[in-house]
Order: sequence, then structure tokens, then C-alpha cells
Amino acid sequence: QQKVQQSPESLTVSEGAMASLNCTFSDRSSDNFRWYRQHSGKGLEVLVSIFSDGEKEEGSFTAHLNRASLHVFLHIREPQPSDSALYLCAVPGAQGLTFGLGTRVSVFP
Amino acid sequence: EAAVTQSPRSKVAVTGGKVTLSCHQTNNHDYMYWYRQDTGHGLRLIHYSYVADSTEKGDIPDGYKASRPSQENFSLILELASLSQTAVYFCASSESGGDTGQLYFGEGSKLTVL
Repeated sequence: QQKVQQSPESLTVSEGAMASLNCTFSDRSSDNFRWYRQHSGKGLEVLVSIFSDGEKEEGSFTAHLNRASLHVFLHIREPQPSDSALYLCAVPGAQGLTFGLGTRVSVFP
Repeated sequence: EAAVTQSPRSKVAVTGGKVTLSCHQTNNHDYMYWYRQDTGHGLRLIHYSYVADSTEKGDIPDGYKASRPSQENFSLILELASLSQTAVYFCASSESGGDTGQLYFGEGSKLTVL
């Protein structure tokens, strides 16, 4: 069964500084990875999907996939206080997507 | 305009009571899902459906039933609610299967069982 772990559990960054989040998975054959964001009390919104090794950019979000090392990263360029949220990594599993526990990001002015 | 809407957004139920959570989507998607979110467990799949009048078990189906009377509607039913079912429940839809299709989520239904 696909296992997904995210680190760090929480991250505090200053406005405008780069934020980097890590997600590790267990099945190297997976080919479809997503990063979601969840503001407090809200649903999940997809930020970026990546299907092959390398980088994929969507606005201020960049996903970096390295299947050999079983990692998919999310970089947030110049985060704003409005980017404070829970960030979830999702990886294909046996039945749909398997989610990590998330990284809680706090952005301070 | 929200494409996946859930109701109720919040509910308090008594142990042993029946709870129905409803989900409606206007995405014209074939697939619909119910997840629960708990601290320490993240999002876990309860039931899903890829066609009306048919439902499938997810990773944690025990204690839950699902109903898909139409393409647009998908309900989650707790026949005998228990304390352990206190959680936030999310409905989602996708055009294709969850491992390839993009999931679009509702805003969640917070259930408290007392």
C-alpha cells in the first residue's frame, strides 16, 4: 500500500522568503502527483500536478519530482500571509489518491 | 459558484443516531468520493462511486454506507453514529478515476458525535 510522509510538520517563513516542503512516497512506479492547499475551515484546492520527473510551475508554486529518490517537493516563491494554510501532498494509491498528513505553513509579514 | 456543495456544513449528532451527509456537484463528473479528515490520520477514503446507482468501498468503509441516486448527488450515511466518527467529511468529484483525474473538493462537513 502506498505510504506518503510529509515534512516538516510545520513551517514558519517570512513574507517573501522561499518556502520548501517535502513529500516522500513508497511506490516508485507512481506517475501522478498533486499538491493541495487547505485554508482553515475550507476545502482543498489543487495547486500543481506533476506527472514526470523534473519541475512543474503553476504561478508561485513549483513542484519538483524525483521518483528515483521517492521525493516530490513543493516550493513557494515569495509567499504572502494569504498563503498560510495546510499543504497536502497526494500520491496515486490502490484506490484513488493517498494523502500525506500535511505541512502547516505560516507566513508572517 | 461552488461546483461541489455539501450539506450540512456542521452537525451535532447523538451516539446511535442516524446521520446523512449530502453532496451535490455541478461539474458533470462521473466520479464522486467521500473522505474523512482527522488529526493524525489525514484524509482517508471512505466510499466512492463512478456511476449512478453504484458505490464502491474505499479504505475505511466500516460503519458507513453511501448512496449515488444520480450523477450529481452522493450521500454518506451513518446508520448508528459513534464517537469515533467525529471528524470533518469531504466530498469530491473528478472526471476520471482518482489516480489520474483531478479531484475537486467541497468545503467539508464537520460532524460531532456526542
